[in-house]
Amino acid sequence: EIVLTQSPGTLSLSPGERATLSCRASQSVSSSYLAWYQQKPGQAPRLLIYGASSRATGIPDRFSGSGSGTDFTLTISRLEPEDFAVYYCQQSRTFGQGTKVEIK
Amino acid sequence: EVQLVESGGGLVQPGGSLRLSCAASGFTFSSYSMNWVRQAPGKGLEWVSYISSSSSTIYYADSVKGRFTISRDNAKNSLYLQMNSLRDEDTAVYYCARDKGTVTHSTFDYWGQGTLVTVSS
Repeated sequence: EIVLTQSPGTLSLSPGERATLSCRASQSVSSSYLAWYQQKPGQAPRLLIYGASSRATGIPDRFSGSGSGTDFTLTISRLEPEDFAVYYCQQSRTFGQGTKVEIK
Repeated sequence: EVQLVESGGGLVQPGGSLRLSCAASGFTFSSYSMNWVRQAPGKGLEWVSYISSSSSTIYYADSVKGRFTISRDNAKNSLYLQMNSLRDEDTAVYYCARDKGTVTHSTFDYWGQGTLVTVSS
């Protein structure tokens, strides 16, 4: 069973800064099925990125995904106030434990 | 507009049963696989169960296998989760989620708002 490990657990940044979130798989996985989700308090998760680098419908271009093999990255180029949330990576039917992006 | 609306959550005693429903609209329900994903209070996301568009393929997480049953009614655009022998650790918000992936790899592109299941005596 694949284990996805996200780092850091919490990222403290200011609006306008760049956020870089990491997702590491316990074994090589297909980038075709690596996804990222955003979840705000009290809300359902929202698909941001699928296939490691394709943005979902309506997702702003400040969100980008990259990576292959065991190492994947979600980058938010310039944080907007609405981007402070928890982010999960997912592959097959396994989720990482999440990275919280909080306001510094 | 794609909409998924869950219902059926509530308070149930350990060992009890509950049936969750998810009403789908805004897309051709019979063309998509569906899933249930849950989130315990203050915790991360855990996939629970998958059902293919025709119900021919079904998967369960080990944590619920033998206790939960997923089903769907394409004529009613509805997804269900029958939960039996409930345990304290099943307490969570349960989301239904549409799948744009494959039989072996899910990608959850639309989610409902969730329904809370609380297992407690």
